[in-house]
Amino acid sequence: DQQVKQNSPSLSVQEGRISILNCDYTNSMFDYFLWYKKYPAEGPTFLISISSIKDKNEDGRFTVFLNKSAKHLSLHIVPSQPGDSAVYFCAAPNAGNNRKLIWGLGTSLAVNP
Amino acid sequence: DAGITQSPRHKVTETGTPVTLRCHQTENHRYMYWYRQDPGHGLRLIHYSYGVKDTDKGEVSDGYSVSRSKTEDFLLTLESATSSQTSVYFCAISGDWRPSDTQYFGPGTRLTVL
Repeated sequence: DQQVKQNSPSLSVQEGRISILNCDYTNSMFDYFLWYKKYPAEGPTFLISISSIKDKNEDGRFTVFLNKSAKHLSLHIVPSQPGDSAVYFCAAPNAGNNRKLIWGLGTSLAVNP
Repeated sequence: DAGITQSPRHKVTETGTPVTLRCHQTENHRYMYWYRQDPGHGLRLIHYSYGVKDTDKGEVSDGYSVSRSKTEDFLLTLESATSSQTSVYFCAISGDWRPSDTQYFGPGTRLTVL
């Protein structure tokens, strides 16, 4: 079973506060995770990634944390800005064929001014 | 921005008609992908290509065929469109197959099958 789950369809936060987006996965063989961001009427764009040999990766306001024992990762955005309002997808390469990505359903983030 | 274009951007067609969507890249990337995005399903891989004339199926390939005769073009064909193929279709490219090789996405094609 290879699934990536984003159980929160939507999230609303105030500008300047922290946004935390969560992602769970089912296959302990997943060894890489990616976050993509998507604005309406545009294609997804790569945001940040993490290898399973790490537990944290940071890029500016964006940090991804990986908890392998819990099969859970989270994306933190600090501070949140209105321009961060978008749909965020978590994805992982298929453990049997890592040319294929397995995607979560996405979480729609709204950052309110 | 990666040079990826999709055509047409919008199309309305009738059930049973053939439809071809085109993805064109100017990056000379080896890998090209076709996804569909539907509410409640996220992004699902239809087919991908790992070189000219080299293609493989994704998770939702039934009813779709692809062709890649040139590095820069990847065509997705619906031989006989059905209403269940109403969706937004995204093309993506990447330089290599490694997970760290980012996939860059086109702007999408919105297809409506009546």
